[in-house]
Amino acid sequence: NAGVTQTPKFQVLKTGQSMTLQCAQDMNHEYMSWYRQDPGMGLRLIHYSVGAGITDQGEVPNGYNVSRSTTEDFPLRLLSAAPSQTSVYFCASSYRTGTQETQYFGPGTRLLVL
Amino acid sequence: LAKTTQPISMDSYEGQEVNITCSHNNIATNDYITWYQQFPSQGPRFIIQGYKTKVTNEVASLFIPADRKSSTLSLPRVSLSDTAVYYCLVGDFYNQGGKLIFGQGTELSVKP
Repeated sequence: NAGVTQTPKFQVLKTGQSMTLQCAQDMNHEYMSWYRQDPGMGLRLIHYSVGAGITDQGEVPNGYNVSRSTTEDFPLRLLSAAPSQTSVYFCASSYRTGTQETQYFGPGTRLLVL
Repeated sequence: LAKTTQPISMDSYEGQEVNITCSHNNIATNDYITWYQQFPSQGPRFIIQGYKTKVTNEVASLFIPADRKSSTLSLPRVSLSDTAVYYCLVGDFYNQGGKLIFGQGTELSVKP
């Protein structure tokens, strides 16, 4: 299994540009999530999904859109990039066994908005 | 989801046991406690999860007192490679799958 993969690894955008961060998992996990991490801070939840066709907002959803048409893929779209969206973005997928949930994180995408 | 409070940073030396305590005064009945580890430039990695008393795996132990208002992650005989940020999370993961809320974390520095 490749686990959770993210592309691109690094991206530079100009203010106002749009782009899509890709995330895929091959573990058949039902849950997927997007986080951003700013320097010296913990991760903040942007959007998450509990299954194909179902998404919901996290702590910091403004400026981002998501969709989940398949179990494997969960792309994150930046509609109009702003310098405040410069960050490292992590995608995660998870499953439950009984009452325990374990999240697996991708390697991250570093985004710089000029 | 319950708010957590951890020390911002801790220092230790190789071979010592490290205990990181997390406070979660408003933990709910259905909430579990989970710890993640994050190395620089990597995504977090699951370490251990528990509900009450003590849980042990090959990496760490988790101690939870009867009132569950705090928990302690114990790392036995740390090495330089244990230098990382450790996050304590509390939540009803069964009913709120995919929705982890991270706090500031504890930056552990292990010195030779």
